Amino acid sequence: QVQLVQSGAEVKKPGSSVKVSCKTSGGPLSTSAISWVRQAPGQGLEWMGGIIPVFGTENYAQVFQGRVTITADESTSTAYMDLTSLRSEDTAVYFCASGPYYYGSGSYHYYFDYWGQGTLVTVSS
Amino acid sequence: DIQMTQSPSSVSASVGDRVTITCRASQGISSWLAWYQQKPGKAPKLLIYAASSVQSGVPSRFSGSGSGTDFTLTISSLQPEDFATYYCQQANTFPRTFGQGTMVEIK
Repeated sequence: QVQLVQSGAEVKKPGSSVKVSCKTSGGPLSTSAISWVRQAPGQGLEWMGGIIPVFGTENYAQVFQGRVTITADESTSTAYMDLTSLRSEDTAVYFCASGPYYYGSGSYHYYFDYWGQGTLVTVSS
Repeated sequence: DIQMTQSPSSVSASVGDRVTITCRASQGISSWLAWYQQKPGKAPKLLIYAASSVQSGVPSRFSGSGSGTDFTLTISSLQPEDFATYYCQQANTFPRTFGQGTMVEIK
């Protein structure tokens, strides 16, 4: 049974950074892709980026390019999302999500089979 | 980026009703499509992947179809626990993108 457990809620000042962790259990990171998805209050789901740890392959949504970094430590089965230059619009619940990856048509594909419980990040002065 | 457009944005239905939600991609995505269910205050749950494959543990009343640009999620007989928001998501290209969501409400 795969489980993802995220770090706790954060309150940050505008301009600062936040790092959220996601510890996985019940399955090896080597066969998984990890993504971060956020949800602003009352809004829909927004994919921020993902990583396939065994290859070190990272992909990010252009809107976050330069501000977000996703890493994974296979030795501790933990993934991290680092978001810099925070602004009030970054106030949201941040989810990590994982699933097996597939290779086809020259690219990697993956769905979000398992989800963390979410971490509320509040950006306020 | 591939735009995913769901319709309707919301639907009011009764227990036992058949509910269909559609999702249209702005360009072809083959069958790289998933459907998720989200209840308030909870993480999304994967229902359907590869457009029509039902995730393990998901009730058989949920089904998906389509390929290319047009997809549907069908709930054959709505149950009380199915009142939630549903999202489609394409897994064909980066960035991954979601539809705006369809809220299924009690009539």
